[in-house]
Amino acid sequence: KNEVEQSPQNLTAQEGEFITINCSYSVGISALHWLQQHPGGGIVSLFMLSSGKKKHGRLIATINIQEKHSSLHITASHPRDSAVYICAVSGGSNYKLTFGKGTLLTVNP
Amino acid sequence: DAGVTQSPTHLIKTRGQQVTLRCSPKSGHDTVSWYQQALGQGPQFIFQYYEEEERQRGNFPDRFSGHQFPNYSSELNVNALLLGDSALYLCASSRTMGHQPQHFGDGTRLSIL
Repeated sequence: KNEVEQSPQNLTAQEGEFITINCSYSVGISALHWLQQHPGGGIVSLFMLSSGKKKHGRLIATINIQEKHSSLHITASHPRDSAVYICAVSGGSNYKLTFGKGTLLTVNP
Repeated sequence: DAGVTQSPTHLIKTRGQQVTLRCSPKSGHDTVSWYQQALGQGPQFIFQYYEEEERQRGNFPDRFSGHQFPNYSSELNVNALLLGDSALYLCASSRTMGHQPQHFGDGTRLSIL
C-alpha cells in the first residue's frame, strides 16, 4: 500500500463544476502539499498546510490530521484548470516529499 | 527573479552510458532535492543536498550520485544507464529553515535507447 493515496485517478468535469480531489496518507507528517503539473512536466506548488484550511482564488485545500485526509477543491472550474494534481507529504526531520500518483483533471468547455 | 532552472531539457542516451543533469536553485534557496518521475507515476525522491552534503537519500542504487556546489547549484549523475532509467528528472529547491515549500524546475526528460 502506498503511503499517499489519491482519488480519483482521473476526473472529467464540465466548465463551472465544483471539483474535489481527495488524498489519504498513512504516515506521520509535518505538512501536506498540493501541487499542479501541466503537460511537459513543470510542477507548481499550490498549497502547503499542516492544519485547517487554506484558500487561494478558486482553490481551497483542507486537512484533517486525525483522519489523515486532505481535500483539494476547485470552485467554478475552467478548462485552464486541466492538469495533474498531486498530493505529497513531508514529515518530521524527513525533508523529502512523498508523492501520490496524481489525479488527471480534464475540464471541458 | 529566476526560478529553478534545469539543463538540458531533453536527453537521449544508450544503455551503459553515463549522464549528468544540472540544476540551479531559485535565488535565496540553499537546499536541492532530486526526483525521478516515470510516465504515469508520481515523482520518487532520489536524494537531497544541503551545504554540499547529501542529507537524505531515497531508495535508489549507487549508480545515482550527486553533487552540490558552493553556489548551491547541483548535479545528478547516473552511471551504467538502464532502459528503466528513462524518466523525467525533476529538481526542486527550498530554504532549509523549517518546512518550506519546494520550488520545482521544468525537469529533464531522459530517454534511454
